[in-house]
Amino acid sequence: DAGVIQSPRHEVTEMGQEVTLRCKPISGHDYLFWYRQTMMRGLELLIYFNNNVPIDDSGMPEDRFSAKMPNASFSTLKIQPSEPRDSAVYFCASSLGGLYNEQFFGPGTRLTVL
Amino acid sequence: KNEVEQSPQNLTAQEGEFITINCSYSVGISALHWLQQHPGGGIVSLFMLSSGKKKHGRLIATINIQEKHSSLHITASHPRDSAVYICAVGSGETSGSRLTFGEGTQLTVNP
Repeated sequence: DAGVIQSPRHEVTEMGQEVTLRCKPISGHDYLFWYRQTMMRGLELLIYFNNNVPIDDSGMPEDRFSAKMPNASFSTLKIQPSEPRDSAVYFCASSLGGLYNEQFFGPGTRLTVL
Repeated sequence: KNEVEQSPQNLTAQEGEFITINCSYSVGISALHWLQQHPGGGIVSLFMLSSGKKKHGRLIATINIQEKHSSLHITASHPRDSAVYICAVGSGETSGSRLTFGEGTQLTVNP
């Protein structure tokens, strides 16, 4: 298996623009997670899905952030409008069985908002 | 005081040394993750445990629920073990649960 795939790997955009990050989980995994990592706040769990249904989005920072999982093999995290404080590395991970099972992380998307 | 605290923040060791990284938490716990983040940024899940002890190769993780404390041990450390080690505490049931992360321990193993 190719592992968790994220795209793009790097994104540079200007404040106010819409940003869409993409994730393909490992085939057969039923949980998908979105994380954000910054120097100031470390790793944070933003939202996670079970069988394509959002289970907990309490970590989503504000309404500018939204995530979807239209099918078992694809998820997006969208920021609109983007702000400089959104600059971070965004990781997607997937697991079989839940939040407390082994998670497999993608390589991350480094987002820079100017 | 952070809900999840790791110590030390930075650790430098010589190859072959036995290493211990600590994680203390104040939140209720369902399970605890140990993660390894490589210098290139990639994250690997090392252990998920809710009680007792787990071992994988040279890595050992223990947890004491009563004392709200977990340790990650590395035996016969090697330069390739150089990474950031992150503890994450899971609390709540699967639906509506959350993960709280420690700030990480930067480990450098010198040859």
